[in-house]
Amino acid sequence: SQWGEENLQALSIQEGEDVTMNCSYKTYTTVVHWYRQDSGRGPALIILIRSNEREKRSGRLRATLDTSSQSSSLSITAAQCEDTAVYFCATDRGSALGRLHFGAGTQLIVIP
Amino acid sequence: EAAVTQSPRSKVAVTGGKVTLSCHQTNNHDYMYWYRQDTGHGLRLIHYSYVADSTEKGDIPDGYKASRPSQENFSLILELASLSQTAVYFCASSDRGGLGAETLYFGSGTRLTVL
Repeated sequence: SQWGEENLQALSIQEGEDVTMNCSYKTYTTVVHWYRQDSGRGPALIILIRSNEREKRSGRLRATLDTSSQSSSLSITAAQCEDTAVYFCATDRGSALGRLHFGAGTQLIVIP
Repeated sequence: EAAVTQSPRSKVAVTGGKVTLSCHQTNNHDYMYWYRQDTGHGLRLIHYSYVADSTEKGDIPDGYKASRPSQENFSLILELASLSQTAVYFCASSDRGGLGAETLYFGSGTRLTVL
């Protein structure tokens, strides 16, 4: 799993497989964001899940949130080569000031 | 679509020199941020701003200044660049979709190399 003090994690899978990436956080948050970063680009939001939700789906993406264990996961169903990217989780640490704190990220490589 | 433009895309600076990174957004967002990304690591918040003519310190502000002369523009200034400031810098704006639900729109980044 990822968090800010850790180095980037790497994960390689075959096209068509399902994959789950994990994120653990240390401080209360009202929401967990998942961002995707393609090579040479800035991160882009792909899904967010609020503290009162346990699961959120968007297309082939599924995010879960367990506030008791302070962890979140992002799953991709039937991964495609175009899913190759770095995936970050980010939390607000309960702040109303709009500051997001990012984990170290997971480098996902989908092999054809 | 949201648009955040950073300039330059890349820059080589000398140690001790002054560097200014610029960011322009056309989203009409009040909130803007500067993040730093080191190879193999996540993004760390340097400075942010809620309104023109006001800036706030993030998690790693030392060695950096910020300037927000207008809603659209937000600059990051390195008065005395150091080797340790070699990194990719990202600017972002946000739409404040309610407490804990804002979306950050990022620019494409500026790769800064300090020699």
